[in-house]
Amino acid sequence: AQSVAQPEDQVNVAEGNPLTVKCTYSVSGNPYLFWYVQYPNRGLQFLLKYITGDNLVKGSYGFEAEFNKSQTSFHLKKPSALVSDSALYFCAVRVPYSGAGSYQLTFGKGTKLSVIP
Amino acid sequence: NAGVTQTPKFQVLKTGQSMTLQCAQDMNHEYMSWYRQDPGMGLRLIHYSVGAGITDQGEVPNGYNVSRSTTEDFPLRLLSAAPSQTSVYFCASKRGVSYEQYFGPGTRLTVT
Repeated sequence: AQSVAQPEDQVNVAEGNPLTVKCTYSVSGNPYLFWYVQYPNRGLQFLLKYITGDNLVKGSYGFEAEFNKSQTSFHLKKPSALVSDSALYFCAVRVPYSGAGSYQLTFGKGTKLSVIP
Repeated sequence: NAGVTQTPKFQVLKTGQSMTLQCAQDMNHEYMSWYRQDPGMGLRLIHYSVGAGITDQGEVPNGYNVSRSTTEDFPLRLLSAAPSQTSVYFCASKRGVSYEQYFGPGTRLTVT
């Protein structure tokens, strides 16, 4: 089965320090990978995606993600964390679904990021 | 654009009651989906639609019905609510060839 895993339920980081939220994937073929963020009492918001090309992908709010094929990982990173980055982060992979040409997203369980002032 | 809207924001049901969660989008997106979010389980796909008149089951469809009579609307019906359906429900939409999904603000449902 094609899936993503987020090994950490929670990540704590001090404001101003670099942050990493981990994601590993298991897919057949080339992976299409995504990061979404969920702020309290809100829906998910798209951060960035990897489809092909450069292994370092830049996204919204200063976030970036590094695709590593040999380690089957797609970790989310930010050089300097802000208190406002505190949220729930989801990694997702596009998987084929049902009929030909139909795709859906399969999400990880989420990682709660807390940035401490 | 209002984006993806969901009503109600909160709902409490008794076991056995039925109700419809509303979802609408004004972006002319072909794809619409319903997810439920439970603690420690991420988001799980309930039903999805690739266009008006076309729906299909996701990962956890039991106890839920959907229909898609227009491009804009994708209601989710709970036929006979059960406590196991206590969850936060999110509707999402995207353009057919796009990778980015747009999510609504969610409906928090409690079944007692």
